[in-house]
Formats: sequence, C-alpha cells, structure tokens
Amino acid sequence: GQQLNQSPQSMFIQEGEDVSMNCTSSSIFNTWLWYKQDPGEGPVLLIALYKAGELTSNGRLTAQFGITRKDSFLNISASIPSDVGIYFCAGPASSGSARQLTFGSGTQLTVLP
Amino acid sequence: EAGVAQSPRYKIIEKRQSVAFWCNPISGHATLYWYQQILGQGPKLLIQFQNNGVVDDSQLPKDRFSAERLKGVDSTLKIQPAKLEDSAVYLCASSLVPDTQYFGPGTRLTVL
Repeated sequence: GQQLNQSPQSMFIQEGEDVSMNCTSSSIFNTWLWYKQDPGEGPVLLIALYKAGELTSNGRLTAQFGITRKDSFLNISASIPSDVGIYFCAGPASSGSARQLTFGSGTQLTVLP
Repeated sequence: EAGVAQSPRYKIIEKRQSVAFWCNPISGHATLYWYQQILGQGPKLLIQFQNNGVVDDSQLPKDRFSAERLKGVDSTLKIQPAKLEDSAVYLCASSLVPDTQYFGPGTRLTVL
C-alpha cells in the first residue's frame, strides 16, 4: 500500500521561531492534507492542497503541494505554545469503490517558552 | 454545529474480554470511518461506511472486530475477544465530501 514518510519525527523549538516539516510519498497524490492532533483529541484538518505547486496559508501556517506530487511541506511561523501537538500529513487513496486517507506517522512539535 | 461524538472516552479491560465503542457522526454526514491509532503512529483505517453499507473493511481483523451502522447514523465498533495489541485510540470520523473528514475525540483502550 501507499506509505507516507514524515520528517522530522519530533522537534523542539523556542517560542517565536519558525518551523518546517515535510512529508514524502512513494507514489503520486492528487490531494495533500495536513492535520493537527492535540493530546487526548482527534485530528483536526488544518490545510488541504489540491494542485501541484499550490501554496496555501491558514493564519501562521503555510503548506505547499510539491510539483512532483510526491511531497508536501508545512511551515509554521512565529510559533506559540498552543502550536504544540502532533502534525500529520495525509493523502487519499482509492481502494475499490472506497476513497480513504493514508496518514503519515506524524511530527511531534514541542514549543519551549 | 455539533462535532463527532464518541463514548466512552477511556476503557480498561483485561485480555479476552469484550468491549464496544459508540460513535455519533455529524448530522447529515453519509460517510463514517473507524480508525485505530497506536501510540506513536498515524491513524489506520479499519472500516468505512457509506450510509448503512460497508464500503471498505479490508483492514478490519474480522475474527475479533465487528462494526455496524444501523439506520445510517450511529455506529458501534466491537472487539471480542480483546488482545493486548488492541491497546490503542479508536477514532471515529465522518465526512460529507470525500477527503474532508471530521474526527471525534477518540476512545483510549487499554488491554491488560
């Protein structure tokens, strides 16, 4: 099946710093999604990307859909304590008549005061 | 708009016991998903429903896991009997359009 590799696995940054994480796939995706999961909660959709080369922002978050369609990047500018959590990339795959999401293993972000 | 509701939030059982989880999706969402999330990993799809029909259950360990979505709204996921490796967070999600899935808070299962 399709696999998504996220890096880094974890990051420790100072409040106010910018952070970048990425996700690569062994196969082409037509959509890239970025989710954030807070402790004890389910993932929440942050940004959706639908076109190769697309750059989309959501507040301090910016994500890019790689032109090869095999990778995506998420950047967070001027980090704040509430940015702490696990960030997952995800992409849809078709299995028979079903359209389902494959998730990466996540990047754990810790923001130090 | 109310989100996806799940209960219980936490469950501790001994191996070989049975357990059931409940999910109430967002009103009007035809598609419902159950995911298993093991610590340190991303969610893994177990089963996908479209209304009250199963679309994909290829990743569901059918010898011990079962799920149903009667009347196309609420859904239950059951494990019988549970094994130690079933310890995980079980997430329910629903969607109106493909790819835009809304997740519930999950049920954290610990099997001793």
